[in-house]
Amino acid sequence: DAKTTQPPSMDCAEGRAANLPCNHSTISGNEYVYWYRQIHSQGPQYIIHGLKNNETNEMASLIITEDRKSSTLILPHATLRDTAVYYCIVMGTGANSKLTFGKGITLSVRP
Amino acid sequence: GAVVSQHPSRVICKSGTSVKIECRSLDFQATTMFWYRQFPKKSLMLMATSNEGSKATYEQGVEKDKFLINHASLTLSTLTVTSAHPEDSSFYICSARLPRYSGNTIYFGEGSWLTVV
Repeated sequence: DAKTTQPPSMDCAEGRAANLPCNHSTISGNEYVYWYRQIHSQGPQYIIHGLKNNETNEMASLIITEDRKSSTLILPHATLRDTAVYYCIVMGTGANSKLTFGKGITLSVRP
Repeated sequence: GAVVSQHPSRVICKSGTSVKIECRSLDFQATTMFWYRQFPKKSLMLMATSNEGSKATYEQGVEKDKFLINHASLTLSTLTVTSAHPEDSSFYICSARLPRYSGNTIYFGEGSWLTVV
């Protein structure tokens, strides 16, 4: 599975949009981009995933560049409860595919 | 989203004893489950992939005789830490993959804190 690169941390003000970047320049054609987050001392929470089209659900939006080498997770109105480590992971669809976690990006939402 | 549940959420055991952690997919059948461990302020490290009805596939460096994994049904996988030692104290997290026809997404349990004293 391709590797991803994320900045170590970022912060944003409560109520504002949080835009979390991710680079995955070696992504293959059949690999999806997944986003998870982990709030302290809990299991990771699935947020969203996509292949090449932009995706939106009740939690976030995922914008994938046309060349698929990078993506941005958007939390439209960040709250204090969104403070967490966010992981961008690339994974294929094969039976042996698995999620390999990097260091993620720590998002701190300030009041 | 799909629900994955782990039990117990916290366990303390004596050094030398064995402890079992259960992982259940509550509202879907999972042919594949995964076990991770996480040390404080570190990322999740995949330990093994558990496939229903077959032997688990362990990641390099993970002792299969120490971390016994059983995936006897489509909704239950267990991790048994045998002859536990204090260095096995960690946060253990399982996850389960939705069937391909349901999207293939992987969902995680709440995690289990193991403390070996």
